Amino acid sequence: DVQLVESGGGLVQPGGSLRLSCAASGVTVSNYWMHWVRQVPGKGLVWVARINSDGTTTSYADSVKGRFTISRDNAKNTLSLQMNSLGADDTAVYYCARGSSTSCSFWGQGTLVTVSS
Amino acid sequence: QSALAQPASVSGSPGQSITISCTGTSSDVGGYNYVSWYQQHPGKAPKLMISDVTKRPSGVSNRFSGSKSGNTASLTISGLQAEDEADYYCTSYTNNNTLVFGGGTKLTVL
Repeated sequence: DVQLVESGGGLVQPGGSLRLSCAASGVTVSNYWMHWVRQVPGKGLVWVARINSDGTTTSYADSVKGRFTISRDNAKNTLSLQMNSLGADDTAVYYCARGSSTSCSFWGQGTLVTVSS
Repeated sequence: QSALAQPASVSGSPGQSITISCTGTSSDVGGYNYVSWYQQHPGKAPKLMISDVTKRPSGVSNRFSGSKSGNTASLTISGLQAEDEADYYCTSYTNNNTLVFGGGTKLTVL
């Protein structure tokens, strides 16, 4: 099967940390930009972060800059998102996606992150 | 970075054409030819329909087309079909080296 599978979501207390992973199977991600996009259930899509193919270039939405870190391990065909200082506003389904620097052509199914006490 | 402006909803009858607008500024939509459009059915992951304003990925129906004029991009769907009923989102590259999505448009096929 060709897929991106996110994991690591769950319930975390405000101020806590969580690390999301995105594993690629049947599809190569090493030559592509990778993105994280989030969506509050019932609401719209929000771009979170991106990383270039060799991991040397990253950029972040203002809402997560300084708190989230995107990284990748091409040898393991995986993408990660380290999320610190989480707040209720970070509650969402988090999608990883493969694509170009400016578009996302192949998406995972998402993992739900809930920030609540 | 403020979200790009999209109409909350549009509707059309089968066979008709509809257009969804996506309005930004000269710092995003108007400044770059990096507008993409995504289709999302309920409970599903988004699907790329158009990239770089006008490019249609392999496998996407040629009923879907994109354009841009000034700070406004548009997605046109011709020959509406029931399966086109979904939420549609635009996104653009910005001069802050980030991407920004629109608020989304719910398309109803009457």
